[in-house]
Amino acid sequence: AQTVTQSQPEMSVQEAETVTLSCTYDTSESDYYLFWYKQPPSRQMILVIRQEAYKQQNATENRFSVNFQKAAKSFSLKISDSQLGDAAMYFCAYRRGSGNTPLVFGKGTRLSVIA
Amino acid sequence: GAVVSQHPSWVICKSGTSVKIECRSLDFQATTMFWYRQFPKQSLMLMATSNEGSKATYEQGVEKDKFLINHASLTLSTLTVTSAHPEDSSFYICSARRSSNQPQHFGDGTRLSIL
Repeated sequence: AQTVTQSQPEMSVQEAETVTLSCTYDTSESDYYLFWYKQPPSRQMILVIRQEAYKQQNATENRFSVNFQKAAKSFSLKISDSQLGDAAMYFCAYRRGSGNTPLVFGKGTRLSVIA
Repeated sequence: GAVVSQHPSWVICKSGTSVKIECRSLDFQATTMFWYRQFPKQSLMLMATSNEGSKATYEQGVEKDKFLINHASLTLSTLTVTSAHPEDSSFYICSARRSSNQPQHFGDGTRLSIL
């Protein structure tokens, strides 16, 4: 079974600074996807960034980027120029590439942004 | 973008009643829908995977007679919590996907409170 581990229950960052959220996963598959989702207090699930395992290049979306280390099975999220609106729960998620498989989530990291 | 509508957003009912939650994909046909449960300050836990026209696949530990899932069309799945009790109080989130290589889109969730 695939597992996703987020070892940081809580993190904080000063506004305008950079923060990195950690995620590791365990799988025997070679074809899979990795995601970071943001869940603000409204509890809506918002896709932040997605990475295909076959792509060596790290995904980026504006201020959000990932460090995908396939051999180490690590998928960290870097948030640059942190804003107050970035405060939320962040979930790392894994999905097998083939078949009718769901997202498997880590336990989440609560990010606080300090003004 | 793909929109998933979940209704109701919040429901309060007495113990012993049954509650139905609807999940609709508004602008795409969802071959697969997923139902998650989220306890306060915890991650999303997959309850079941639902494919249009077939029986849902439940995760281990989820009572299929307690949580009835129907996916009668490509745009609608329902979750019925039967004979609800206070321990069923939780946040329920549905998610829909067009096909296996497409992203999973989330509804805004339903907060269920059983008195």
